[in-house]
Amino acid sequence: QQQVKQSPQSLIVQKGGISIINCAYENTAFDYFPWYQQFPGKGPALLIAIRPDVSEKKEGRFTISFNKSAKQFSLHIMDSQPGDSATYFCAATRFMNYGGSQGNLIFGKGTKLSVKP
Amino acid sequence: DADVTQTPRNRITKTGKRIMLECSQTKGHDRMYWYRQDPGLGLQLIYYSFDVKDINKGEISDGYSVSRQAQAKFSLSLESAIPNQTALYFCATSGGGSSTDTQYFGPGTRLTVL
Repeated sequence: QQQVKQSPQSLIVQKGGISIINCAYENTAFDYFPWYQQFPGKGPALLIAIRPDVSEKKEGRFTISFNKSAKQFSLHIMDSQPGDSATYFCAATRFMNYGGSQGNLIFGKGTKLSVKP
Repeated sequence: DADVTQTPRNRITKTGKRIMLECSQTKGHDRMYWYRQDPGLGLQLIYYSFDVKDINKGEISDGYSVSRQAQAKFSLSLESAIPNQTALYFCATSGGGSSTDTQYFGPGTRLTVL
């Protein structure tokens, strides 16, 4: 059962353009939605995260938009640069204090972004 | 030095062989995780540990076992490797006390089972 659906699988954007990656979740108990960025040959690293009490979070050129009623969230990369070329994973989890499998991150399948010069 | 290290970085083995992947961290985190990454499938949780005495199965634990030798060390074993275990394996850690703490990933081990 795939609880977090991510699209597209791959994305090619011209330098300076806007990259948009979408995710949808099923479990209404999820209340924390991070995005991880993975460069080739490296492990994923947290990029930005959002909680459902806000509809948008912006950090530099990266913005998460969140639609609670639609159970969807998306990553927007403004002014995309070749250095942004990486695989992006959305994820979701339910806030849990120490312990509990329900608090494990559920990852989307990833989107490979290529930004052309 | 890297906070989360994995050894080996690459390994080629044969079907039926036993293999161990090792993970060490200097972040002082209690929680450690093993993930598997396959192209187009994202990251799938194999096992996780909240402390040395607390080890739990993830969504795809069949065919794998783990050992938490110390707070800083978490090993993943394939008792009898099979070709469909060919994948990229990541160790991760998190501190604090909640599921929303940032996970810090190691550089990965690329495993090929022939």
